[in-house]
Amino acid sequence: EDKVVQSPLSLVVHEGDTVTLNCSYEVTNFRSLLWYKQEKKAPTFLFMLTSSGIEKKSGRLSSILDKKELFSILNITATQTGDSAIYLCALTGANNLFFGTGTRLTVIP
Amino acid sequence: NAGVMQNPRHLVRRRGQEARLRCSPMKGHSHVYWYRQLPEEGLKFMVYLQKENIIDESGMPKERFSAEFPKEGPSILRIQQVVRGDSAAYFCASSTGVGSYEQYFGPGTRLTVT
Repeated sequence: EDKVVQSPLSLVVHEGDTVTLNCSYEVTNFRSLLWYKQEKKAPTFLFMLTSSGIEKKSGRLSSILDKKELFSILNITATQTGDSAIYLCALTGANNLFFGTGTRLTVIP
Repeated sequence: NAGVMQNPRHLVRRRGQEARLRCSPMKGHSHVYWYRQLPEEGLKFMVYLQKENIIDESGMPKERFSAEFPKEGPSILRIQQVVRGDSAAYFCASSTGVGSYEQYFGPGTRLTVT
């Protein structure tokens, strides 16, 4: 059975800190791995990763995939209070996304 | 360029009533997915539909739940005879189609069963 495990479950940091969120997975047929940010409403798409070792970057956020070791990381540098959210990692299945339970990030001023 | 629309945003039903949740996909998207998020849990896939077709309903409970995506109009997730355990946030997502792994989510409908 496909599995997505995110760590840590929750994290509290101060503004300006750098954080690394982890997502490890087990899957029979890998297609892609996606990261979403969920505040109080809809998950918003951040990144889609399909190839190992190629960093995707958007502003202060970046992500990379390791298909040999079966994990991905999401980095956020110079964190701001607006980064407080649940960050979700998901695998693409045949017809759906298979989500982890997320990492709850809280950034305090 | 409207995103995925869901309504209502909040729905309160008494046990035994029916709940109808609506989802209009993003313009240009013909594939719709429904997910359920229970408190303190991740998003769980329920059903995947294209226009007039249910493609995969492997995540849908066998009883009381049904979904449709008619030729005209929004996709509907229907829950009959709701129970307290149905209280959750229900999210709809859409994509352009097969081979497109990016799904875009609506704001969700928060169902509360009293």
